[in-house]
Amino acid sequence: DVKVTQSSRYLVKRTGEKVFLECVQDMDHENMFWYRQDPGLGLRLIYFSYDVKMKEKGDIPEGYSVSREKKERFSLILESASTNQTSMYLCASRLAGEGTDTQYFGPGTRLTVL
Amino acid sequence: GQNIDQPTEMTATEGAIVQINCTYQTSGFNGLFWYQQHAGEAPTFLSYNVLDGLEEKGRFSSFLSRSKGYSYLLLKELQMKDSASYLCAVMDSNYQLIWGAGTKLIIKP
Repeated sequence: DVKVTQSSRYLVKRTGEKVFLECVQDMDHENMFWYRQDPGLGLRLIYFSYDVKMKEKGDIPEGYSVSREKKERFSLILESASTNQTSMYLCASRLAGEGTDTQYFGPGTRLTVL
Repeated sequence: GQNIDQPTEMTATEGAIVQINCTYQTSGFNGLFWYQQHAGEAPTFLSYNVLDGLEEKGRFSSFLSRSKGYSYLLLKELQMKDSASYLCAVMDSNYQLIWGAGTKLIIKP
C-alpha cells in the first residue's frame, strides 16, 4: 500500500511566522503535489514537482514556496504566514509522469493562522 | 476557463440508491476521477473513466459521456458509512487534475 504521511495533523501559527509543512511518501513516486482545500471550493493546486529538484507553480502559488531535495520528501513553505492561509493542506503523490495514475493523498494538515 | 460542477449536498436513505452528477468544461480531457472523502480525512480513490460508458465496482458505479461533458457516480444499497463528500476531478490536457468542490452526501437511517 502507498503511504503518504504529513508532519502534523493540526498546526497553529501566528501571523508573520515561517511555516514548514512536510510530506513523505514511501512508494518511490516521481510526482508530488500540494493542495489546499477550503469549504465550498475544490482542491486547489499550490505547487507540484515531477521529480527531485523540480518544481512547478500550480494555480495559487502566491505566498508559498516548495522544496524537493529528496524523491520521497516534498515540503511546503509559508514564508510569512497570513490569516488567509488558514486552510486544510493536502499532499499527494503519483507514480507516472504523463499517465493517468491515481493520486494518493496524505491525511492533511489543518493549519490555523492567528 | 475550466469548470467542474457538482451539487453541494445530497441526502439519501440507508439501503437506497443515489446518483451524484458531475458536469465539466476543461481544456482537454484525459479521464475523470471520483474520490471519496470522509470528514477530516484524506480523499481516497474510487473510480476512473476515460471511455464512454458505465464502470461497475461493487456497490459503486461510474458513468461517463465525453460528448456531453457529464459523469455520474451511482451508489447502491447505501450504508451509513457512505456518508462522506464525493469529489469529481478531470485530468486536463496537461495531465493536471481539475477538482470540483465536492458533494456532501448525508445518509439517514
